[in-house]
Amino acid sequence: NAGVTQTPKFQVLKTGQSMTLQCAQDMNHEYMSWYRQDPGMGLRLIHYSVGAGITDQGEVPNGYNVSRSTTEDFPLRLLSAAPSQTSVYFCASSPGAGFMNTEAFFGQGTRLTVV
Amino acid sequence: AQTVTQSQPEMSVQEAETVTLSCTYDTSESNYYLFWYKQPPSRQMILVIRQEAYKQQNATENRFSVNFQKAAKSFSLKISDSQLGDTAMYFCAFMNYNTDKLIFGTGTRLQVFP
Repeated sequence: NAGVTQTPKFQVLKTGQSMTLQCAQDMNHEYMSWYRQDPGMGLRLIHYSVGAGITDQGEVPNGYNVSRSTTEDFPLRLLSAAPSQTSVYFCASSPGAGFMNTEAFFGQGTRLTVV
Repeated sequence: AQTVTQSQPEMSVQEAETVTLSCTYDTSESNYYLFWYKQPPSRQMILVIRQEAYKQQNATENRFSVNFQKAAKSFSLKISDSQLGDTAMYFCAFMNYNTDKLIFGTGTRLQVFP
């Protein structure tokens, strides 16, 4: 089992460029989410999805788009990168609402620097 | 809205000693999960321990145990016999039973000294 696969691990962008962070899981999880981690602020939720075709905004959605065309994939798109988006990004998945012994599984993270 | 508060940005402990990390949360929900995740320098998020809110018994996993006080909305992590490999950032997190949405605290950086 690969679990949650997140790519790339590192990326440097110029201000104004766009890019997509990829996230895939092979556990048939319904729930997937994207977080950003900044010093002193923990992990903050950007967008999440409760199933294919359904997405919703989290705490810090501005500047990011997501889609969920399949259960497995949940890409995060930066539309026009800004220095304020310099951060570490994590994708996570979990079985879905109401599962016993649930937990969230995380990708290895992407360190994004916008210059 | 749920919130999670970790009031200790940094902690240190000597190897083989015991340390307790604090976490408080706020919610109006009755069914939820609480977690402690560990993030070593590798950046990987690793589940340390999980507590279901409906269970009165405190969860334990080897050297890790929690003190879950539901009425006080407190969820502290105790690490016994601390090891150098426990050096990491520790995050407390809340998950609503009906949505799977995870809310994190700001983290506590733990340093274990030889």
